[in-house]
Amino acid sequence: KNEVEQSPQNLTAQEGEFITINCSYSVGISALHWLQQHPGGGIVSLFMLSSGKKKHGRLIATINIQEKHSSLHITASHPRDSAVYICAVDLVKLIFGTGTRLQVFP
Amino acid sequence: EPEVTQTPSHQVTQMGQEVILRCVPISNHLYFYWYRQILGQKVEFLVSFYNNEISEKSEIFDDQFSVERPDGSNFTLKIRSTKLEDSAMYFCASKRDRNQPQHFGDGTRLSIL
Repeated sequence: KNEVEQSPQNLTAQEGEFITINCSYSVGISALHWLQQHPGGGIVSLFMLSSGKKKHGRLIATINIQEKHSSLHITASHPRDSAVYICAVDLVKLIFGTGTRLQVFP
Repeated sequence: EPEVTQTPSHQVTQMGQEVILRCVPISNHLYFYWYRQILGQKVEFLVSFYNNEISEKSEIFDDQFSVERPDGSNFTLKIRSTKLEDSAMYFCASKRDRNQPQHFGDGTRLSIL
């Protein structure tokens, strides 16, 4: 059973579009993370959330603890946003989702 | 900005050989982790390390695996007798305290022949 489910698995967008990636989880958590993985493989932490909403530049992350759901939004998407976006729940160790592969075309 | 460094970036080893993957976590961090990602699959937790001992390990982390923090700066993952299925990208991560995000290294790609 997958503890962390992401959708969609793949996403293609035109530059400038608004992007939403969804994450649902089945376990009680203290926090949820959104991470970015580039083609070279490196992983970068974008957000750590335990409630509400956080914003950094064009990225916005929200979480609803009662519904066990989080979303990552990218406003005015750009080709450099192309990457795999991963949701992970924090049980001190991280349990990762399968990722959403985003491609943004000019 | 301080970062987690991993060496080597790519390791090619014959099946059955021992391999040591090295990590230098951020200097004031206290929690250390190893994860792996088999090609095309999601990242999986292997082991966490705090206060000079393993705090949690996954089913994957069997007797063939061990971790060490030998000198207060390095954090190593040893695979004693490698198998083909150990081929993966291995990520080291560290964090300052429980309520902070983890910082990841760039990974070591391990290829077992």
